[in-house]
Amino acid sequence: DAGVTQSPTHLIKTRGQQVTLRCSPKSGHDTVSWYQQALGQGPQFIFQYYEEEERQRGNFPDRFSGHQFPNYSSELNVNALLLGDSALYLCASSLDLYNEQFFGPGTRLTVL
Amino acid sequence: SQQGEEDPQALSIQEGENATMNCSYKTSINNLQWYRQNSGRGLVHLILIRSNEREKHSGRLRVTLDTSKKSSSLLITASRAADTASYFCATLTGGGNKLTFGTGTQLKVEL
Repeated sequence: DAGVTQSPTHLIKTRGQQVTLRCSPKSGHDTVSWYQQALGQGPQFIFQYYEEEERQRGNFPDRFSGHQFPNYSSELNVNALLLGDSALYLCASSLDLYNEQFFGPGTRLTVL
Repeated sequence: SQQGEEDPQALSIQEGENATMNCSYKTSINNLQWYRQNSGRGLVHLILIRSNEREKHSGRLRVTLDTSKKSSSLLITASRAADTASYFCATLTGGGNKLTFGTGTQLKVEL
């Protein structure tokens, strides 16, 4: 049974560019959450998708957007990249809105 | 913003010793969870304690929760070198499944 997978593993972009990160949830899970973890900090909640809709959103600007597909996989899009967007982006999936979250290995984004 | 903080920020012990990490948080919670992270990679779920529980065990892990003090502790007994990692507490509040993480404790277990 595959766990949560994320792609790519690493990514280097320049300021102003746009990036798309991808996440496949654990088998049977229909809820996907995204977190940003800056170096030396704890993860911060970006948003959560359930039934293809954004259900909750953290304190992140509109440059951060997402999507959930019918197969429950998800994308995180970040526009107009800033140096401060450099971080580890973590995807987590759960059975529904109220169960334990399982995390993927993350995508390391570097903005130059 | 972070919900709370872990204490200490860093901890170095010898293999076989016990490691205790503390977590404080700010608002009422539904449950509190502890995660481990190796070398800045994905988070591994360790244990969940609900707001109406005071203590929980899982293998070498013991978690306590004091809702009156808004604090929790994680005890790892008989530590091993493989326990070297960063440990985070995370709280679940209100509706939905949004986790709010603390700042983490870096544990180093030396041979």
